[in-house]
Amino acid sequence: AQSVSQHNHHVILSEAASLELGCNYSYGGTVNLFWYVQYPGQHLQLLLKYFSGDPLVKGIKGFEAEFIKSKFSFNLRKPSVQWSDTAEYFCAVRGSQGNLIFGKGTKLSVKP
Amino acid sequence: SAVISQKPSRDICQRGTSLTIQCQVDSQVTMMFWYRQQPGQSLTLIATANQGSEATYESGFVIDKFPISRPNLTFSTLTVSNMSPEDSSIYLCSVEGGRRAYNEQFFGPGTRLTVL
Repeated sequence: AQSVSQHNHHVILSEAASLELGCNYSYGGTVNLFWYVQYPGQHLQLLLKYFSGDPLVKGIKGFEAEFIKSKFSFNLRKPSVQWSDTAEYFCAVRGSQGNLIFGKGTKLSVKP
Repeated sequence: SAVISQKPSRDICQRGTSLTIQCQVDSQVTMMFWYRQQPGQSLTLIATANQGSEATYESGFVIDKFPISRPNLTFSTLTVSNMSPEDSSIYLCSVEGGRRAYNEQFFGPGTRLTVL
């Protein structure tokens, strides 16, 4: 069965620090990959997605992710975080039924 | 993107009762899903809501406990039956597709359920 692992449970950064959140998936075939964000008290929002093509994907709010097939990874990055990026981030892979299989999530706290 | 609303947004229920959660989408969509997000946990798929046929349940979830209806392409309900405190969770509806959003999934605001 497909699975997604996120390496960090809780990341604490100061504003302007660079961010990289790890995500590895288990499936070796064609994958559709996603990063979602959940701000405090809000519902899940799509940050970015990868289906095919350029492995470096740019999303909203300055986030990007790189798909590295050989490493089964899809890490999320942002060069300079802001306090408003405090949220929980979920990596997901599309399952065979069209559903999403989520990692456990990473809580990001950005100190002003 | 698809706009999804859920009712109720939250509820506190007594053990042994049932709650039906509604999910309404502003456009016709092919795929609708129900997820559960237990406190401090990630999202887990409960079932795929199929229009005009029985829902497809994931391992660990059964129709008697979580009956689902999907009468058309814009609406679905999830019932949490004979509730226990372990059912306290956020229940989310999600859809794939909608206007100009093939292969993207959008999530509703969730229903926060507390069972006493």
